[in-house]
Amino acid sequence: NAGVTQTPKFQVLKTGQSMTLQCAQDMNHNSMYWYRQDPGMGLRLIYYSASEGTTDKGEVPNGYNVSRLNKREFSLRLESAAPSQTSVYFCASSEALARANYGYTFGSGTRLTVV
Amino acid sequence: KQEVTQIPAALSVPEGENLVLNCSFTDSAIYNLQWFRQDPGKGLTSLLLIQSSQREQTSGRLNASLDKSSGRSTLYIAASQPGDSATYLCAVINSGYALNFGKGTSLLVTP
Repeated sequence: NAGVTQTPKFQVLKTGQSMTLQCAQDMNHNSMYWYRQDPGMGLRLIYYSASEGTTDKGEVPNGYNVSRLNKREFSLRLESAAPSQTSVYFCASSEALARANYGYTFGSGTRLTVV
Repeated sequence: KQEVTQIPAALSVPEGENLVLNCSFTDSAIYNLQWFRQDPGKGLTSLLLIQSSQREQTSGRLNASLDKSSGRSTLYIAASQPGDSATYLCAVINSGYALNFGKGTSLLVTP
């Protein structure tokens, strides 16, 4: 019963370093998403992938890039980490993008600190 | 832009009480509404999903209702237990792609 798996669970980066957050789902979902969660701000969408081979910007895409490697995997890359990117990152997936009538499934999160 | 508001922001109740969490949204043209639970330092667990054509959904001690016309949903928790202590998040989806989240209600159930 894996669902959505995120790695790593915790990470500390120095300002300017790069890293990739990994996400994989085993539910054969078409759509995948990256959110960040910050105190007082709630969850905000960074990027999403409606289907394999497509990606689009969400509400807060600056400083991030994504890759939909295949139907199962969707990665988030920080090219030059900044303290403002300290956050908890969640990956999610859903059956379909439009009229997502089947709900979303979330991973357990990656807690990233940039010093 | 869809705005989702959850009231109250925090709630503390003694064990055994029935309680109601509120969620309101500004754009009533939603496809569905989903309630999540988040434990401290953990991810989001889906509790209930209400389709736009439905009025309510039930799972165990949880009941969620949806009134699209008024832009409101409530999550009713019966006979609360200390294990129910968590943050409860409401999220809606419109014609776009993203779940729009409220900021949550932090619930504490005391023994």
